[in-house]
Amino acid sequence: GAVVSQHPSWVICKSGTSVKIECRSLDFQATTMFWYRQFPKQSLMLMATSNEGSKATYEQGVEKDKFLINHASLTLSTLTVTSAHPEDSSFYICSASRNSPLHFGNGTRLTVT
Amino acid sequence: SQQGEEDPQALSIQEGENATMNCSYKTSINNLQWYRQNSGRGLVHLILIRSNEREKHSGRLRVTLDTSKKSSSLLITASRAADTASYFCATVEISGGGADGLTFGKGTHLIIQP
Repeated sequence: GAVVSQHPSWVICKSGTSVKIECRSLDFQATTMFWYRQFPKQSLMLMATSNEGSKATYEQGVEKDKFLINHASLTLSTLTVTSAHPEDSSFYICSASRNSPLHFGNGTRLTVT
Repeated sequence: SQQGEEDPQALSIQEGENATMNCSYKTSINNLQWYRQNSGRGLVHLILIRSNEREKHSGRLRVTLDTSKKSSSLLITASRAADTASYFCATVEISGGGADGLTFGKGTHLIIQP
């Protein structure tokens, strides 16, 4: 069964609104989770590392004020896309590690109209 | 970051045939992993092969690794319609690499025609 759950699966929102995506590790504690963005027919691009109890670490070129990450517990990390614009439309995926390899959520399809 | 290059970019075969995908990488690695991604879904880990291994099997999957050529292949035997998906290789580099430890290739989109 799935060990990493991501919610929602898809969301459509209006430009200017904020969207929160949740990533939960179901049966293990994850001190570190990862957030990715994937454009159609392309590979995953790591956006940031979510660290439980501390600030996230963002990859170069990723706006931390745009993509807010909170990892308040050992089983939950959230990614909030603030003031979303159509160019933020993408597929967002999270992952967490339990004894390697990484376990991925099923992704969230975000469409900003 | 991406260092892997899969080829072909896309592959369409008949059900029952074997499908072979290749992955090349650039740096020294600890291991190489293959993932499958169904359309609009997350990644599912298929198989991991360590740098000191040359071949590994899991069910209908066969993975080879040639560290001298910095390449790997994924063979799916007796393909089924349900194997239709995108397949990614990802390397764990000895030094460097992404924060998640993985460097993904661009993927091969496999279509199995019934």
